Amino acid sequence: QVQLQESGPGLEKPSETLSLTCTVSGDSMRSYYWSWIRQVPGKGLEWIGYIYDSGSSNYNPSLKSRVTISVDTSKNQFSLKLNSVTAADTAVYFCARAVPTGTFYMDVWGKGTTVTVSS
Amino acid sequence: DIQMTQSPSSLSASVGDRVTITCRASQNIHNLNWYQQKPGKAPELLIYAASSLQSGVPSRFSGSGSGTHYTLTISSLQPEDFATYYCQQSYSTPLTFGGGTKVEIK
Repeated sequence: QVQLQESGPGLEKPSETLSLTCTVSGDSMRSYYWSWIRQVPGKGLEWIGYIYDSGSSNYNPSLKSRVTISVDTSKNQFSLKLNSVTAADTAVYFCARAVPTGTFYMDVWGKGTTVTVSS
Repeated sequence: DIQMTQSPSSLSASVGDRVTITCRASQNIHNLNWYQQKPGKAPELLIYAASSLQSGVPSRFSGSGSGTHYTLTISSLQPEDFATYYCQQSYSTPLTFGGGTKVEIK
């Protein structure tokens, strides 16, 4: 059974770069899209972007200038970097596997990791 | 961006009630996915492609709709169903979610 686990610092200072890694276990990363989604406490879900196992990526235009998602299939990991963070980036960050069928849905999620941006 | 509007934003219901949640898209999206999220947990996929039940999800959950109008129905609400439900479109990027519907105990 495939499982995803986010890891990374829980606290970032303003203007710094948020870096998170998602480790995939129980299955290959081949032929799936790998997504990052975040949720501001008490609010809804915001898609950050995804990457395919080949390395092609797609980002939310609202964050595109600050986001990089990368993948390392040899380590079964993909990563998120969000630079120039502010308090507005304080959120729970989830990684998820996305199935690239006719409809693109996220069928496996990590438990989420809370990132707080504060000096 | 495609805007997804869910209604109601919250509802109170009793165990055994039939519950329907609506999601409307700002344009034709051809398909829709539904997720359930409990407090402090990650979302879980319930329905994909508007009406396909994800493996392991109880059959009391069902989805329907097309074009811009979609519904999620819980035929007989169970205690474990009290949660927040989100719709999500994947017709175009950026992928977008509805604002959520919180189902509370009456």
